Amino acid sequence: AQSVTQLGSHVSVSEGALVLLRCNYSSSVPPYLFWYVQYPNQGLQLLLKYTSAATLVKGINGFEAEFKKSETSFHLTKPSAHMSDAAEYFCAVSGPQAGTALIFGKGTTLSVSS
Amino acid sequence: DTGVSQNPRHKITKRGQNVTFRCDPISEHNRLYWYRQTLGQGPEFLTYFQNEAQLEKSRLLSDRFSAERPKGSFSTLEIQRTEQGDSAMYLCASSLVSGYRTEAFFGQGTRLTVV
Repeated sequence: AQSVTQLGSHVSVSEGALVLLRCNYSSSVPPYLFWYVQYPNQGLQLLLKYTSAATLVKGINGFEAEFKKSETSFHLTKPSAHMSDAAEYFCAVSGPQAGTALIFGKGTTLSVSS
Repeated sequence: DTGVSQNPRHKITKRGQNVTFRCDPISEHNRLYWYRQTLGQGPEFLTYFQNEAQLEKSRLLSDRFSAERPKGSFSTLEIQRTEQGDSAMYLCASSLVSGYRTEAFFGQGTRLTVV
């Protein structure tokens, strides 16, 4: 069975600081991996996805993530946090076929202070 | 294209009543998914459709829940005899599965409160 663990339910950074949100996955087959962002009372917006092409994936709003098979990790980073990045972030896994249901982690709330 | 649309956005109902939610996916998308999200948790998969066929149902989908996607377009999720534990945000997503294209686009959700 596939699963996702997000380490740290709450991360706080200062504006301009590095953002690092951690995600580890468990999958017996090559996974598809995703990061989504959710603002209060809104649906989820896709930030980026890994589909077995490049291991370093660039997404929207300056975010990127690196797939590391040896560490079963897909951590999300952004070099410089902006106040507008404050939101809930979810890592998700699916597979083996494209389009199967997403399995989400419990989420990490990112707070950004000025 | 206005994205995935869900109606209503909010629903308050008394325990024991039936409720129905609607999801209109992005028009060319062949897959449609339903998820449930409770406070402080990630979305949990309920069921999904490939066109009009319901391909998978989660064990979370009790007998009181039923979903349909007639004609492979919009979908409805009905909850019968609602319970307080059904209070949650119900999210719909759609995707066009083609090769490696697999990303799901989410609607804004329907927030259900059972009183």
